[in-house]
Amino acid sequence: QGQLVESGGGVVQPGRSLRLSCAASGFTFNDYAMHWVRQAPGKGLECVAVIWYDGSNKYYADSVKGRFTVSRDNSKNTLYLQMNSLRAEDTAVYYCAREKSRDGPHSASWFDPWGQGTLVTVSS
Amino acid sequence: DIQMTQSPSSLSASVGDRVTITCRASESIRRYLNWYQHKPGKAPNLLIYGASSLQSGVPSRFSGSGSGTVFTLTISSLQPEDFATYYCLQSYSTLPTFGQGTKVEIK
Repeated sequence: QGQLVESGGGVVQPGRSLRLSCAASGFTFNDYAMHWVRQAPGKGLECVAVIWYDGSNKYYADSVKGRFTVSRDNSKNTLYLQMNSLRAEDTAVYYCAREKSRDGPHSASWFDPWGQGTLVTVSS
Repeated sequence: DIQMTQSPSSLSASVGDRVTITCRASESIRRYLNWYQHKPGKAPNLLIYGASSLQSGVPSRFSGSGSGTVFTLTISSLQPEDFATYYCLQSYSTLPTFGQGTKVEIK
C-alpha cells in the first residue's frame, strides 16, 4: 500500500528558506509522480507542486512559482520541497501524496496515500 | 486552470440522513474526479476515485457519480464518524485542483 512521512517543518521568519522532505516506503517510488499539497489555517486544500516519476517535469501553483522548487532522489526514495522567500501566507500544513493512475477506457488518477503532514509557520 | 466549484460549503444533518455534495468543473474533466474525507489533524482519506469507483475499505454508503463537468458524492445514511469536511479533487489537468470543501456538521 505504501507509506509517506514528511519532515522539516517548523517556525521560520519571513524571507527565509526551509526544505521539506517526504520519505517513501512500501512501494516502488520511482514508478510514481508525487505531489505537495498544503492547507493553510482555516482554509481548504491546495496543490502546490507536482514532479514526474523521473523528475523530468515539474509544475507549480502560481502562488509559489519562482519561490518553491520540487525535487526527488529516487535512490533515496525521498521527495523534497525547497521553499525560499517564505511569506506569512505560506503558513500551512504541507502534505506529500503519491499519484496513482488507471489506464484504459475508464482512465483515472488520484492521490493515495498521503503523509501525515508537517506544519510550516512563517512568522517574525 | 480548471476551477472546481463545490456546494454547499457546509451543511447540518442528522445521523441516518441522506447527504449529497456537488462539484462542478469549469471545463470537462471526463471522469478525473476524486472525493476525499478530511478530519482535523489527519491526512485526507480517499473515498471515491475516477468519479464512481469506491476505494477499498470505504463503506458502501459512500457513492459517487457524474462525468464531464458535474459530479456528486452521496452518503446514503450518515453515520457519526462521517462528520468531517469533504473535498473533490480534479486530476485531469497537470496541476490538480480541489473544490473549496463541504463541512458536514451534526444537526
